[in-house]
Amino acid sequence: QVQLVQSGAEVKKPGASVKVSCKASGYTFTSYAIHWVRQAPGQSLEWMGWIDAGNGHTKYSQKFQGRVTITRDTSASTAYMELSSLRSEDTAVYYCARDPSTTAAVHFDFWGQGTLVAVSS
Amino acid sequence: DIQMTQSPSSLSASVGDRVTITCQASQDIINFLNWYQQKPGKAPKLLIYDASNLEVGVPSRFSGSGSGRDFAFSISSLQPEDVATYYCQQSLTFGGGTKVEIK
Repeated sequence: QVQLVQSGAEVKKPGASVKVSCKASGYTFTSYAIHWVRQAPGQSLEWMGWIDAGNGHTKYSQKFQGRVTITRDTSASTAYMELSSLRSEDTAVYYCARDPSTTAAVHFDFWGQGTLVAVSS
Repeated sequence: DIQMTQSPSSLSASVGDRVTITCQASQDIINFLNWYQQKPGKAPKLLIYDASNLEVGVPSRFSGSGSGRDFAFSISSLQPEDVATYYCQQSLTFGGGTKVEIK
């Protein structure tokens, strides 16, 4: 069965960076895109960026451009999201999600369990 | 950027009631509209994609409709396990969410 398993919770100080992993299993990793979505406490969902796991092409939300880097390791079937220059407003649960669409009809059929990143001095 | 306006932000209904949530896009999005359910402390779960397609394994009491700018999501007979927050999504933008509770 398809599973996305994320790395554990992190506590970081302002100005630091965090790297969250998302290990995929149960399907051909390189055949799907992986997106990253975050959710601040009590807030809605916010898209951050995505990676084509096959060719490594990435696209980022303008809001996070310059601070976020999404990569993948095909040999490990794992995607990574690194966010730098952390501030308190980046405290959130970060999710990876699989996108099965091949057109503009983006949707997310499987999600990781979420990784809490807390930024505090 | 396309904006998504979801309403209401919360609702309370009795078990067995029909519940409807709406989502309006700021421009024509054809049928590129999805609906998710999120229970506390859990990841979102895809229920409906492309406006009206029921995801595999999702109970048939959930349905979606609409095209263009106006979309609706319904639960035909509200069950206790449906208590959750529901989100619409257009491409890379999510609505503000609707918290559904039992009266």
